[in-house]
Amino acid sequence: DTGVSQDPRHKITKRGQNVTFRCDPISEHNRLYWYRQTLGQGPEFLTYFQNEAQLEKSRLLSDRFSAERPKGSFSTLEIQRTEQGDSAMYLCASSGGRFYEQYFGPGTRLTVT
Amino acid sequence: GNSVTQMEGPVTLSEEAFLTINCTYTATGYPSLFWYVQYPGEGLQLLLKATKADDKGSNKGFEATYRKETTSFHLEKGSVQVSDSAVYFCALSDNAGKSTFGDGTTLTVKP
Repeated sequence: DTGVSQDPRHKITKRGQNVTFRCDPISEHNRLYWYRQTLGQGPEFLTYFQNEAQLEKSRLLSDRFSAERPKGSFSTLEIQRTEQGDSAMYLCASSGGRFYEQYFGPGTRLTVT
Repeated sequence: GNSVTQMEGPVTLSEEAFLTINCTYTATGYPSLFWYVQYPGEGLQLLLKATKADDKGSNKGFEATYRKETTSFHLEKGSVQVSDSAVYFCALSDNAGKSTFGDGTTLTVKP
């Protein structure tokens, strides 16, 4: 296992369409995090899972955003009815350490036209 | 809520100069503190961490000390190289594992 992977790496979509991103964490890690990052800003926390349980989702940006981790392995982040303001880099990270150090994937860059 | 404030950039240094990037935090309880680095065209990667007061994290010549009394975790390196050019992020994780990141500081090192 070489690290956290994300798919796709780039997504261009038209406003109003739905998009889904996938994250595969490091296999032995039980925690998985989703962040959004815009230019010049640090990662903005969206949600996280411990195994299949979603521990925090209040930071999801609106009810158009949802995330799942059905079997405690990979996770998906869905954005419904995309808006131009959703254009950003979406980062996934996983953690298995006692002190929650995180290992990041390469990100999915979303462009909404 | 938790927050992290980083020294604003960009920072431009000559090779072999001393580097300090300031970071202060606000958190309840006893968070763990981290520095992450993002090299051009790459993803974020962990640089170093400290998990309790007075701990010093170190890696690749970089150091940072967890100062609870000043709620700070400043990043230092005695002699920077061109290859250190990157964006540096200070972050904390609380006891529940939720992370908060600073906005990043861009470092450019010139030969």
